[in-house]
Amino acid sequence: EPEVTQTPSHQVTQMGQEVILRCVPISNHLYFYWYRQILGQKVEFLVSFYNNEISEKSEIFDDQFSVERPDGSNFTLKIRSTKLEDSAMYFCASMRTGVEQYFGPGTRLTVT
Amino acid sequence: GDSVTQMEGPVTLSEEAFLTINCTYTATGYPSLFWYVQYPGEGLQLLLKATKADDKGSNKGFEATYRKETTSFHLEKGSVQVSDSAVYFCALDQTDSWGKLQFGAGTQVVVTP
Repeated sequence: EPEVTQTPSHQVTQMGQEVILRCVPISNHLYFYWYRQILGQKVEFLVSFYNNEISEKSEIFDDQFSVERPDGSNFTLKIRSTKLEDSAMYFCASMRTGVEQYFGPGTRLTVT
Repeated sequence: GDSVTQMEGPVTLSEEAFLTINCTYTATGYPSLFWYVQYPGEGLQLLLKATKADDKGSNKGFEATYRKETTSFHLEKGSVQVSDSAVYFCALDQTDSWGKLQFGAGTQVVVTP
């Protein structure tokens, strides 16, 4: 069964550094998403991406965040200058059409 | 704005007990409603969904009915197993929102033998 994959599973970085979180969505899916979950808090929507552009973003998704689908298979989330409060589990999801999103296993980002 | 509220956990049950996890929502219009499950060390998996009022979603013995009059989508299972131990998330999606899911806080369920 096809699945969404994410790498790395755990990323440790120092404050102020740039990180890129990678996702490989399911191959025939058209809509792509990033969510995050700070420890002990809700899963929060960050951004949706369709037709090679951002379709919606939350207020969390400020100028330090960017997304890209560089090669038709990967979907990346870049955080330009990480802060301590960016420490969270980041989930990628994809959807073909309709309502069912498929989630990856997540990347745990730790900012020290 | 739209929001989802679900009961706090952890919920601890014995095997074969009846499980209910309450979920209520606040939303304009007619959102779709979901239950996702997260097993230890894994990502979120869609458990069931309902896209309109009075729809009942069901999967793996779990059921939830979309109740517009009470703005609720409570999850139930008649006889839980140890393998049902997980965190359960209620979520909604407005149909005009490009699939932006809004989640509740999650409820941890622990089933003991």
